Amino acid sequence: DAGVTQSPTHLIKTRGQQVTLRCSPKSGHDTVSWYQQALGQGPQFIFQYYEEEERQRGNFPDRFSGHQFPNYSSELNVNALLLGDSALYLCASSSLGGARETQYFGPGTRLLVL
Amino acid sequence: GENVEQHPSTLSVQEGDSAVIKCTYSDSASNYFPWYKQELGKGPQLIIDIRSNVGEKKDQRIAVTLNKTAKHFSLHITETQPEDSAVYFCAAHGSSNTGKLIFGQGTTLQVKP
Repeated sequence: DAGVTQSPTHLIKTRGQQVTLRCSPKSGHDTVSWYQQALGQGPQFIFQYYEEEERQRGNFPDRFSGHQFPNYSSELNVNALLLGDSALYLCASSSLGGARETQYFGPGTRLLVL
Repeated sequence: GENVEQHPSTLSVQEGDSAVIKCTYSDSASNYFPWYKQELGKGPQLIIDIRSNVGEKKDQRIAVTLNKTAKHFSLHITETQPEDSAVYFCAAHGSSNTGKLIFGQGTTLQVKP
């Protein structure tokens, strides 16, 4: 049973560029949440997607946007990158039909903005 | 606003000793409290969780206690082993209508052989 997968594993961009990160949820899960983890800190919630719609959003600017596809996979897009966007981006999946609060994380994508 | 405080930030124990990590939360509507272990270069791994209708839960060497009145919960690891060395995060989930987990700042646990 495959867990949560994310791609790419690492990414280097320059300020002002745009980036797209991808996530495939755990088998049987239909909900995807995205988190940003700065070095030495706990993950911060960006947003959550269910039924291809954004259910809830954390305190992140509109430069951060997302999408969920019919197969439940998801993308995180960040426009106009800033140096402060350098972080580990984590995807977590859960099941709305079951114990939906239980979230399982992928390995993350480490983004470096130069 | 919603907040989770975690202490201590670092913890060093001898192999075989116990380790305790404590968290407090601010949102009284929180009803689900997971603990994650994060090893270097990896994503957080769920190790145990507890819901607000339960005061204590145990899984082998790991236990979690919850005091809803005081709004705090704790992770207890007994008979620690070097492979327990990692960063541990507590988190709190809001009411049933919210999807987000609010994380503590993390505790770096070092188990010395």
